[in-house]
Amino acid sequence: NAGVTQTPKFQVLKTGQSMTLQCAQDMNHEYMSWYRQDPGMGLRLIHYSVGAGITDQGEVPNGYNVSRSTTEDFPLRLLSAAPSQTSVYFCASSPGQNNEQFFGPGTRLTVL
Amino acid sequence: GQQVMQIPQYQHVQEGEDFTTYCNSSTTLSNIQWYKQRPGGHPVFLIQLVKSGEVKKQKRLTFQFGEAKKNSSLHITATQTTDVGTYFCAGHFLVNFGNEKLTFGTGTRLTIIP
Repeated sequence: NAGVTQTPKFQVLKTGQSMTLQCAQDMNHEYMSWYRQDPGMGLRLIHYSVGAGITDQGEVPNGYNVSRSTTEDFPLRLLSAAPSQTSVYFCASSPGQNNEQFFGPGTRLTVL
Repeated sequence: GQQVMQIPQYQHVQEGEDFTTYCNSSTTLSNIQWYKQRPGGHPVFLIQLVKSGEVKKQKRLTFQFGEAKKNSSLHITATQTTDVGTYFCAGHFLVNFGNEKLTFGTGTRLTIIP
């Protein structure tokens, strides 16, 4: 099993550009989530999904969209990148909301 | 909203010394998880505590969940260089019936002086 995979590993964007961060898992987990990690602020939940076709907002959803058309994939879209979105983004999956989370390797995003 | 505070933010210890990080919640938790993130890496699950007053051990690591299920601690005995990293607690809160959210603490970064 590859576990949770994320692409790209690094990305540089200009303000106003859009892009999609990819996340996939091969463990048949129902629950998937996106976090951003900034220095001194821990991990903050952006969006999450409890199953295919269902998504909900987390703590910091503004400027991001998600969809969950399959169990395996949970892409995160930045609609119009801003410097405040410079961060490290982690995708995670788990069998259920109350179970341990398996994190992907992360995407380091810089917005100029 | 629900908050999970973690202290200290940083801890530098001599190799062989003990280390403790504390996690406090403003509201009662359903359970608490602990994760470790090595420098440049991603968070890796260590353990989950569910019961009030629960204590679990993993070799040199001891995890405790408070009686009121609002606080938790991670204690490492005789630290080694392999313990370097940031330790996060993450608390599950009941938002509404059948729906829980996981909130991470701000983390404690542990560095070891050889």
